Amino acid sequence: NAGVTQTPKFQVLKTGQSMTLQCAQDMNHNSMYWYRQDPGMGLRLIYYSASEGTTDKGEVPNGYNVSRLNKREFSLRLESAAPSQTSVYFCASRIQGPDTQYFGPGTRLTVL
Amino acid sequence: KQEVTQIPAALSVPEGENLVLNCSFTDSAIYNLQWFRQDPGKGLTSLLLIQSSQREQTSGRLNASLDKSSGRSTLYIAASQPGDSATYLCAVKETSGSRLTFGEGTQLTVNP
Repeated sequence: NAGVTQTPKFQVLKTGQSMTLQCAQDMNHNSMYWYRQDPGMGLRLIYYSASEGTTDKGEVPNGYNVSRLNKREFSLRLESAAPSQTSVYFCASRIQGPDTQYFGPGTRLTVL
Repeated sequence: KQEVTQIPAALSVPEGENLVLNCSFTDSAIYNLQWFRQDPGKGLTSLLLIQSSQREQTSGRLNASLDKSSGRSTLYIAASQPGDSATYLCAVKETSGSRLTFGEGTQLTVNP
C-alpha cells in the first residue's frame, strides 16, 4: 500500500514550457486534491475532484488544468509555465467519513 | 474569508519540555479543525482531527483542544523529543463540503 504517490519529485522548466504532474492513490479514495505551498502563503488549493469524472476550481486555479483519469489518478497540467508557478505541489486524497486528507511527498517545481 | 494564523512561526525548545502551539481562525463557524505535521522535504501527515462539536482530541503525547467561540485551537506536546522537530500546520474546514484553509505553520526544533 503506497498511499499517495507523485511524479516527478523535482522539475525545472523554462518559461512557456508545459508539463504534467502525476498523482496516484491506492486507497480507493473518492476525493483528490492539488495544492501548492509557497513561503508566506501556506498551502493553497488549486483544483479538486470530489469523485471520478468531476473536477472543481479551488482558490488559485489560473494557469492550471486537471484531469481525473480514473478513481486512482489525478493529474495537474501547466500549459505555459510562468516563474510565478515556481512552488512545491502536493497531491492529496480523502475518504468520506474520517475526513482526513492523505498527502503525497510533493513535486518541487522551478520555472526559470 | 476565513483566515488561519499560527503563532509563533518558529519555536526552539530543549528536549523533555512540554510545549503548546497556537492556531487562531477568524470565522468561528467551522466544521472541523485538523493538525498536520510536515517534515522537511516531505508531505503532510494528519495528526489529529477535532470535529466542531468536540473540545479536544488526544493521540499519545499529543493533545489538541478547540475553542470555537474564541476561534482558537492549541496543540500540546508533552515531553518533547528531537524526533518531534518538524513544521506543524493547522487547517480548518468551514462546512462538510468545503475546502481546508491552512495556517502557515509553526516550525518546531527540539534540541537534544
